[in-house]
Amino acid sequence: QKEVEQNSGPLSVPEGAIASLNCTYSDRVSQSFFWYRQYSGKSPELIMSIYSNGDKEDGRFTAQLNKASQYVSLLIRDSQPSDSATYLCAVTPTGGTSYGKLTFGQGTILTVHP
Amino acid sequence: ETGVTQTPRHLVMGMTNKKSLKCEQHLGHNAMYWYKQSAKKPLELMFVYSLEERVENNSVPSRFSPECPNSSHLFLHLHTLQPEDSALYLCASSQENIRQSLNSPLHFGNGTRLTVT
Repeated sequence: QKEVEQNSGPLSVPEGAIASLNCTYSDRVSQSFFWYRQYSGKSPELIMSIYSNGDKEDGRFTAQLNKASQYVSLLIRDSQPSDSATYLCAVTPTGGTSYGKLTFGQGTILTVHP
Repeated sequence: ETGVTQTPRHLVMGMTNKKSLKCEQHLGHNAMYWYKQSAKKPLELMFVYSLEERVENNSVPSRFSPECPNSSHLFLHLHTLQPEDSALYLCASSQENIRQSLNSPLHFGNGTRLTVT
């Protein structure tokens, strides 16, 4: 069983639509959750971090966390062609000696077409 | 402009060569990491250094040898690599507080694209 699993995609949405990216994780003690965006040939860049159950909004991005269901999602509203990238879900266990070691999902490729 | 700088950006080496990857972070962070990204596979954690001490070696072959001379610099020394080691090698840093229960996000460099021939 994969530790962090994302919907494999690729996901294609029209410009202006809502893109929904999903991620499930197997380690129940996971405490920190991150979404990274990676353009082709570039390094991952942080989009959102979320630590508590519920929704967290930042501009057009909303992260949703449900620890009971071991599920974290990313919604992108009013999708733009510039949002086309691979989105990586990353999870860490409880802090302290975990030193921010992230377990990544395999990524979901998102294409926003005009 | 990234706060984590990696050199070189691209590297082609033969299986008998010895080369080193360099990483420098300008963010004042206390932890640095090497990750490997291969095609169609998730990012894999290789090494973690906290306060210049290696705290994790994720079952990485000995042909990869990390070095962390100070909290701002991290090296990955490569020797007798195999073609399957061709990948994007990413350096990252973070500010960790062991008294804090939640982890800080990683900040990645632009990576070194390594090709082993």
